Amino acid sequence: ETGVTQSPTHLIKTRGQQVTLRCSSQSGHNTVSWYQQALGQGPQFIFQYYREEENGRGNFPPRFSGLQFPNYSSELNVNALELDDSALYLCASSSQGVWYGYTFGSGTRLTVV
Amino acid sequence: ILNVEQSPQSLHVQEGDSTNFTCSFPSSNFYALHWYRWETAKSPEALFVMTLNGDEKKKGRISATLNTKEGYSYLYIKGSQPEDSATYLCAPMEGATNKLIFGTGTLLAVQP
Repeated sequence: ETGVTQSPTHLIKTRGQQVTLRCSSQSGHNTVSWYQQALGQGPQFIFQYYREEENGRGNFPPRFSGLQFPNYSSELNVNALELDDSALYLCASSSQGVWYGYTFGSGTRLTVV
Repeated sequence: ILNVEQSPQSLHVQEGDSTNFTCSFPSSNFYALHWYRWETAKSPEALFVMTLNGDEKKKGRISATLNTKEGYSYLYIKGSQPEDSATYLCAPMEGATNKLIFGTGTLLAVQP
């Protein structure tokens, strides 16, 4: 097992730009979720993918979009970056059963200036 | 929409002290309750997943209980050690979407 790997670890972008964050799921996991953690808050659910289809979405605007690939790796894309998008973005993978917890990556720290 | 509250926000204890935290959540639309430990500069690590009212789980010196009828869970750490220093997050899971609704966490600092 290699765990969940996220890249890059840190990123600085300018307001209005677009960004792509990447996540490699743990081997054997077919579900991936993305969370945003702003300063002083708990992680907030963005969306979840199961077998390449989005199957749940949190209260985030459409400029937050994602993909899951056949090997179950995933991307989070954010268009038209705003200052409030500055946060830690966490990726978590799981098998579809809910009994074992999610395996999280260590996150991508995005700063929008 | 679930509103998850964790208390206390932070806790400083001496090595060997026992401690407990509380996670409160609305009991409707409940499916499962996750606990995670998150050490600085690392990934959140799953501790427990609990689903049934009255569930009790244990992992070494750490244990947790769940009351789904009144909407709370307790996490206990017996004989705290410096390596227990971390943020402890609880996250009820919504049944329809399997999404986790995280609290803001309890920051535990254990002094040697």
